Amino acid sequence: SQQGEEDPQALSIQEGENATMNCSYKTSINNLQWYRQNSGRGLVHLILIRSNEREKHSGRLRVTLDTSKKSSSLLITASRAADTASYFCATDARSGGYQKVTFGTGTKLQVIP
Amino acid sequence: KAGVTQTPRYLIKTRGQQVTLSCSPISGHRSVSWYQQTPGQGLQFLFEYFSETQRNKGNFPGRFSGRQFSNSRSEMNVSTLELGDSALYLCASSSQAGTGVLYEQYFGPGTRLTVT
Repeated sequence: SQQGEEDPQALSIQEGENATMNCSYKTSINNLQWYRQNSGRGLVHLILIRSNEREKHSGRLRVTLDTSKKSSSLLITASRAADTASYFCATDARSGGYQKVTFGTGTKLQVIP
Repeated sequence: KAGVTQTPRYLIKTRGQQVTLSCSPISGHRSVSWYQQTPGQGLQFLFEYFSETQRNKGNFPGRFSGRQFSNSRSEMNVSTLELGDSALYLCASSSQAGTGVLYEQYFGPGTRLTVT
């Protein structure tokens, strides 16, 4: 699998339900970020979690990070139709002397009103 | 504060030509990164500039190059265009450089490049 691979690829839920997306990565990271992309607003930063943190909250968003499993999850509670978008995780890691940013393949979330 | 702006928004070029894309970061941001987004490969990191110096780079051929000016504006150039270069090119700015920790990035709307 690729660095920063999201699961599931697509998710469809009813408004009000919770949505959980997972991200797995392969190499050691400094931190991990989640982004949202939709046609209306482009790519928007949601939350950053550092490698020494295990959980972080921002509004209806909850992110966890398990460095031993090299995985992260994004939970959106009480989803709204406006949450419909693609969600990406991004990691940064050192590779060949450079700091390389890698985005995952993304999870397409559809929230049905 | 004005957001990240990219010009042009849409571009159609012919295979073999070269193209220059422009990015103006958020005022005060000195780091500018470039990404290529395609349906097949997803979002891929091209390079990052900070204070007119390329600080980090991804795995793209030398046909892809960039530069940053003293006012932090950045340009990306692709020479000898190939059909596979058709993509959305995104620029992102940050108040910090890639010194080992990736900070929050603010993305522009992108330039949609189509190579025919």
